[in-house]
Amino acid sequence: EAGVTQSPTHLIKTRGQQATLRCSPISGHTSVYWYQQALGLGLQFLLWYDEGEERNRGNFPPRFSGRQFPNYSSELNVNALELEDSALYLCASSHDSPGRTISGANVLTFGAGSRLTVL
Amino acid sequence: GENVEQHPSTLSVQEGDSAVIKCTYSDSASNYFPWYKQELGKRPQLIIDIRSNVGEKKDQRIAVTLNKTAKHFSLHITETQPEDSAVYFCAASNGGYSSASKIIFGSGTRLSIRP
Repeated sequence: EAGVTQSPTHLIKTRGQQATLRCSPISGHTSVYWYQQALGLGLQFLLWYDEGEERNRGNFPPRFSGRQFPNYSSELNVNALELEDSALYLCASSHDSPGRTISGANVLTFGAGSRLTVL
Repeated sequence: GENVEQHPSTLSVQEGDSAVIKCTYSDSASNYFPWYKQELGKRPQLIIDIRSNVGEKKDQRIAVTLNKTAKHFSLHITETQPEDSAVYFCAASNGGYSSASKIIFGSGTRLSIRP
């Protein structure tokens, strides 16, 4: 079974440009989460998609947006790039979206990440 | 919203000794607490989790304890080995299907095992 796949692996952009990152969840997973991991720092929650809808977002400006497609793959868009947007962007998928299961578990399987560098 | 604090940020222990990482959470509705391990250059992976109806869970050399009253949970690694060197993240989730549902991670603990 293929894991969570992300593309591109690396992306270099300049300030003001737009970046698009893509994620394919594990087959059967309907929830996709995006996290930002800046160098040496923790995992900052960006967005959560489930069944094609944005269910929640973290404390990031509106220039961070995304969508989930009917096949449950997802795209993260970052507009008007700033230097501090340089980070590893991790996508994770989950089989059990919150509230849908008795266990309430949200076991996340992460992709390898997309490293965005803004010059 | 939910806030998860994790301590210490770095931890160095002698091989064979025990390591303890502690986390506190703010949302009393949180009911699921996973721990993820991220080795250098690799993706985070779930190593153990605990639900709010359980006070302790063990899996070989690792264990997690939960104190719902105090809203804190801890990861214990016994008989540490070199391969335990990694960054460990705790997380909390309320598991409810509402707009508030999300998984919040702590800031991470970089664990180094000294030979």
